[in-house]
Amino acid sequence: AQKVTQAQTEISVVEKEDVTLDCVYETRDTTYYLFWYKQPPSGELVFLIRRNSFDEQNEISGRYSWNFQKSTSSFNFTITASQVVDSAVYFCALIYTGTASKLTFGTGTRLQVTL
Amino acid sequence: KAGVTQTPRYLIKTRGQQVTLSCSPISGHRSVSWYQQTPGQGLQFLFEYFSETQRNKGNFPGRFSGRQFSNSRSEMNVSTLELGDSALYLCASSLRRGAEAFFGQGTRLTVV
Repeated sequence: AQKVTQAQTEISVVEKEDVTLDCVYETRDTTYYLFWYKQPPSGELVFLIRRNSFDEQNEISGRYSWNFQKSTSSFNFTITASQVVDSAVYFCALIYTGTASKLTFGTGTRLQVTL
Repeated sequence: KAGVTQTPRYLIKTRGQQVTLSCSPISGHRSVSWYQQTPGQGLQFLFEYFSETQRNKGNFPGRFSGRQFSNSRSEMNVSTLELGDSALYLCASSLRRGAEAFFGQGTRLTVV
């Protein structure tokens, strides 16, 4: 069975702090894809990143960076110098080749950034 | 390029009624998936359609159904509504299997 665990339910930081959102996944497949999505109060899920299981390179995009480690089945997301606009719920998700388009989501981490 | 469009944005229905939600995917995307989001159960997969065929179905009762048209637009239907069907229903489209899915703003359904 596939499972995504986001142990942090809610995180509060002050603007300009760095924050890391944890994601641990379980799958028996060797080929799978990992994703992060952001859900602002408007409700729409905004795609942030997709990573396939064969690519363990870390990625940086502006203030966002992702650390994928197969050895620990983790795909953590770091926001550097957080801003109030980063306040949202962040979801980690997994697709495995068996069900191709079915995203299995974690329970989400609510990030609150205050001034 | 227009994003995924879901209509209506909000709906209030009475128990026992039925409802139809609509989703227009991004142009060129042939895969459309539906998800239900509730505070208690989180984001749960309902079904996926590709080229008018249902390719995957989640663990929901038969009251939940869907279809996809030749232009890739999709509808989902919920019959005999129950209070527990109150949720945000999200539609997503993707170019191919395993690719990133792009979501619409959702339809918030309230059953009273």
